Amino acid sequence: DAKTTQPPSMDCAEGRAANLPCNHSTISGNEYVYWYRQIHSQGPQYIIHGLKNNETNEMASLIITEDRKSSTLILPHATLRDTAVYYCIVRVGHNAGNMLTFGGGTRLMVKP
Amino acid sequence: DTGVSQNPRHKITKRGQNVTFRCDPISEHNRLYWYRQTLGQGPEFLTYFQNEAQLEKSRLLSDRFSAERPKGSFSTLEIQRTEQGDSAMYLCASSLDGGARGYTFGSGTRLTVV
Repeated sequence: DAKTTQPPSMDCAEGRAANLPCNHSTISGNEYVYWYRQIHSQGPQYIIHGLKNNETNEMASLIITEDRKSSTLILPHATLRDTAVYYCIVRVGHNAGNMLTFGGGTRLMVKP
Repeated sequence: DTGVSQNPRHKITKRGQNVTFRCDPISEHNRLYWYRQTLGQGPEFLTYFQNEAQLEKSRLLSDRFSAERPKGSFSTLEIQRTEQGDSAMYLCASSLDGGARGYTFGSGTRLTVV
């Protein structure tokens, strides 16, 4: 699976949009971009994933650049409960069956 | 179904003792995964099952570690002769097939070896 690079930490004001970047310059054509987050003392939580089109769900939006070498996770109106470590993961296909490879993630701190 | 359940939530054991953790996945999920997470690091893959078959094991899974999923439902992870380096959060996750809609993780079992 392709390696990802994320900033180690970011701050965001409550109510503002949080934009979390991820670089995956070695991504292959059959690799998807997944985002998970981990709130303190809990297991990781799936947020969203995409292949090449932008995606939106009730939690977030995912913007993938046209060359697919980077992506941005957008939390449109961050709340204090969004404070967590956010992991960007690239993996092959949907039925590869195997593991997720977590990097260090971005520690997002939402401040009042 | 309330999600992936892991027991116990916390375990303190003396070095050299054996410990066993249990994971109950979401009932319709056929795949089950074990991860380990140390402080400040992302989770690291240990092993995964499809139904009752253990299909992949990480190099992190030494001979002291064994995992089972006897009837394709719950799973256990046993660590024999624990060492201080085994202190970590042990996470279980489950998915339907390859996890196209993401994996569902439990809250983990925190192991402290003293």
